[in-house]
Amino acid sequence: GDSVTQMEGPVTLSEEAFLTINCTYTATGYPSLFWYVQYPGEGLQLLLKATKADDKGSNKGFEATYRKETTSFHLEKGSVQVSDSAVYFCALSDPSNAGNMLTFGGGTRLMVKP
Amino acid sequence: DTAVSQTPKYLVTQMGNDKSIKCEQNLGHDTMYWYKQDSKKFLKIMFSYNNKELIINETVPNRFSPKSPDKAHLNLHINSLELGDSAVYFCASSLRDMNTEAFFGQGTRLTVV
Repeated sequence: GDSVTQMEGPVTLSEEAFLTINCTYTATGYPSLFWYVQYPGEGLQLLLKATKADDKGSNKGFEATYRKETTSFHLEKGSVQVSDSAVYFCALSDPSNAGNMLTFGGGTRLMVKP
Repeated sequence: DTAVSQTPKYLVTQMGNDKSIKCEQNLGHDTMYWYKQDSKKFLKIMFSYNNKELIINETVPNRFSPKSPDKAHLNLHINSLELGDSAVYFCASSLRDMNTEAFFGQGTRLTVV
């Protein structure tokens, strides 16, 4: 079956530091890839997505590139802010699976200190 | 305007009870979902449903059942609640196209005592 693996947290950074959260996947079909963010006490929000190899998704200074050869979709941001503190989830949607369901990684908590 | 809303936000109940969580979306989406998030934040799909088919994750106990009165609603019924059912349950919706994003509700924290 499909699976998503992302680095375990928590990741603690100082404000303006560079962020990388690693994500790798296995899928039966040719998946679409997503990063979702969950702020405390809230539901998940889409951060960015990529639907085919070499696509780069970007939003709010975050970006991730769909790397088919390494089956990866690492999240990066050049300069984090305190407001970026949240849990980040890498996810995929596989066309070979019925129901358009998302398979999530385990989540990575990011804590940014002033 | 809330896109995906679920009620209640918190639910505390005793073992053995039957409970329901309601979900409504006003986005015009054709597919709705229920996800379970455990205490370690791990998210797992429970159901995917549109007006044509219900897809059930095979690991979900049959005590859990989705009920959809119309396209905008997908309620979750849980019978004979167990301690292990304690979790945060998220409703979501999307268009059937796999490339589109899913919109999530704020979650229902269920505590079984």
